[in-house]
Amino acid sequence: GAVVSQHPSWVICKSGTSVKIECRSLDFQATTMFWYRQFPKQSLMLMATSNEGSKATYEQGVEKDKFLINHASLTLSTLTVTSAHPEDSSFYICSARSTGSRVGSEKLFFGSGTQLSVL
Amino acid sequence: AQKITQTQPGMFVQEKEAVTLDCTYDTSDQSYGLFWYKQPSSGEMIFLIYQGSYDEQNATEGRYSLNFQKARKSANLVISASQLGDSAMYFCAMRGGYSSASKIIFGSGTRLSIRP
Repeated sequence: GAVVSQHPSWVICKSGTSVKIECRSLDFQATTMFWYRQFPKQSLMLMATSNEGSKATYEQGVEKDKFLINHASLTLSTLTVTSAHPEDSSFYICSARSTGSRVGSEKLFFGSGTQLSVL
Repeated sequence: AQKITQTQPGMFVQEKEAVTLDCTYDTSDQSYGLFWYKQPSSGEMIFLIYQGSYDEQNATEGRYSLNFQKARKSANLVISASQLGDSAMYFCAMRGGYSSASKIIFGSGTRLSIRP
């Protein structure tokens, strides 16, 4: 099956620094990738939809200047948490949809997630 | 607006028994897709099953089946012959529309614990 690679799995950083998370589709092309955030024991909250070659679409309440998304190619999307603060500590998980599947039935393939801890 | 509701925060089931995880949804879209994902403690999201709004038959994938009742807007997941490895969080999800860019939203999840 399709594989989505997310890196890094864990990151600990100091408050005020920026952190970049990469999401790669390894064996398929993904025109659209999604970034989710998950707090402990809670559901996945959609942050933004990343579109290859165009600007990301952010959900209401998500600061686009804080969570920078770049989808430069059909296999790579990056999320940069700028000037991270302790409240940004969370589990971030990306997903991608294979473009080759029957429209409407495509599965979302998920990365393994990134646990961000901001000190 | 789309909404997914999972009313069971947690469930305990004896090994080898069947279990039903509830999911109701609300959408104004005529075409939509419903998914179930499993999230073990490792954090990865594992796709289990998909049901399209126009699919006439309930989806099945091995021990998983989706009890789709369109008029009631429910999409319950049924796991037959539960196993210890089934212990995990389970999320119901929905995509409104069939566009490749249509976003998928998730319910609050149900934590399933299988007793030996």
